Amino acid sequence: GAVVSQHPSWVICKSGTSVKIECRSLDFQATTMFWYRQFPKQSLMLMATSNEGSKATYEQGVEKDKFLINHASLTLSTLTVTSAHPEDSSFYICSADSGKGQPQHFGDGTRLSIL
Amino acid sequence: AQTVTQSQPEMSVQEAETVTLSCTYDTSESNYYLFWYKQPPSRQMILVIRQEAYKQQNATENRFSVNFQKAAKSFSLKISDSQLGDTAMYFCALGQGSSNTGKLIFGQGTTLQVKP
Repeated sequence: GAVVSQHPSWVICKSGTSVKIECRSLDFQATTMFWYRQFPKQSLMLMATSNEGSKATYEQGVEKDKFLINHASLTLSTLTVTSAHPEDSSFYICSADSGKGQPQHFGDGTRLSIL
Repeated sequence: AQTVTQSQPEMSVQEAETVTLSCTYDTSESNYYLFWYKQPPSRQMILVIRQEAYKQQNATENRFSVNFQKAAKSFSLKISDSQLGDTAMYFCALGQGSSNTGKLIFGQGTTLQVKP
């Protein structure tokens, strides 16, 4: 089946640093990738939609300058949390869409802890 | 606005019994997709079942089936012969647009515990 690899699975860093999370579709080309954020025992909240070769579309309330999304190829999208602060600590999940009528495939998520 | 509501934060069921998780939604789209996802403690998102809104027949996948009531905008999940491995958080999701792709709107989730 289709596989989406998300890296790193867990990262701890100091407040003020930037953190990059990668989302790769390993065996298919992803025309669109989605980035979600999930707080403990809560639902997934869509942050942005990333289309290959174009600017990401951010959901209302998500700071585009804070959460930089790049989708430079059909198999890779990255989310960079800039100048991270403790309130950015969360679980971030990506999903990839092949655009062929199949359901999205989710990565295993990244647990981000900002000290 | 499109919304998904799961009114049961937590549920429990005895092993081998049947449990139903409820979900209601709201959308102005004439065609859309509905999904149930399972998120075990590992936090991996696993697709359980999906339903195309234009199909009247309820989707089934082995022990999992849905009761799709389009007019009532209701989409419940029935788990038969519950197993310990079914313990997880379950999310109902609405797929926007007329394709099987596109962004998903998730409900609040229902934590299901299967007891031995």
